[in-house]
Amino acid sequence: DQQVKQNSPSLSVQEGRISILNCDYTNSMFDYFLWYKKYPAEGPTFLISISSIKDKNEDGRFTVFLNKSAKHLSLHIVPSQPGDSAVYFCAASGDYTNAGKSTFGDGTTLTVKP
Amino acid sequence: NAGVTQTPKFRVLKTGQSMTLLCAQDMNHEYMYWYRQDPGMGLRLIHYSVGEGTTAKGEVPDGYNVSRLKKQNFLLGLESAAPSQTSVYFCASSYSTAQETQYFGPGTRLLVL
Repeated sequence: DQQVKQNSPSLSVQEGRISILNCDYTNSMFDYFLWYKKYPAEGPTFLISISSIKDKNEDGRFTVFLNKSAKHLSLHIVPSQPGDSAVYFCAASGDYTNAGKSTFGDGTTLTVKP
Repeated sequence: NAGVTQTPKFRVLKTGQSMTLLCAQDMNHEYMYWYRQDPGMGLRLIHYSVGEGTTAKGEVPDGYNVSRLKKQNFLLGLESAAPSQTSVYFCASSYSTAQETQYFGPGTRLLVL
């Protein structure tokens, strides 16, 4: 049973437009959500996070929205740049019956075309 | 400040051989993790450690062992490698699991023939 799902394996957008990456979760105990970005041949790096007490967190071109009732979060990148092309992983944590460890989605490959 | 480093970067093994992957972090983090990533899949947790001298199983622990003898090091061992263990292995560390931002190493690509 996959508790964190990223249903779109890939997304392609034009430079300058908005990229929206989606993530759904099933475990209502999750209370902290993170997005990681991964370039080929590198490890994932932290991008942005949101606590369940908020519904939005913004950092420059990156905004994460959380809809707790729908158990859904999304990452918006505006404007998208070719350097944003990478794999984006959604992660959720807070289930302390599971030592609070993060659970990762399968990732979405974003391609930003010049 | 090197962050999280992994040794080796790439290794080819024959079925049945053993090897140890080394992870080191210089951020004084308590928590360390070993993940594997297979094509089209996310990061699956193999084992983790919440402090020096402690280890615990993750989602996919079979065929692997770990040790955390020093706070800064987390070792992943394969006693008898199998082709199913062909993967990219990532080590990560974090200060805590409460609001855990994990810092990842660059990965070790392992091919088991």
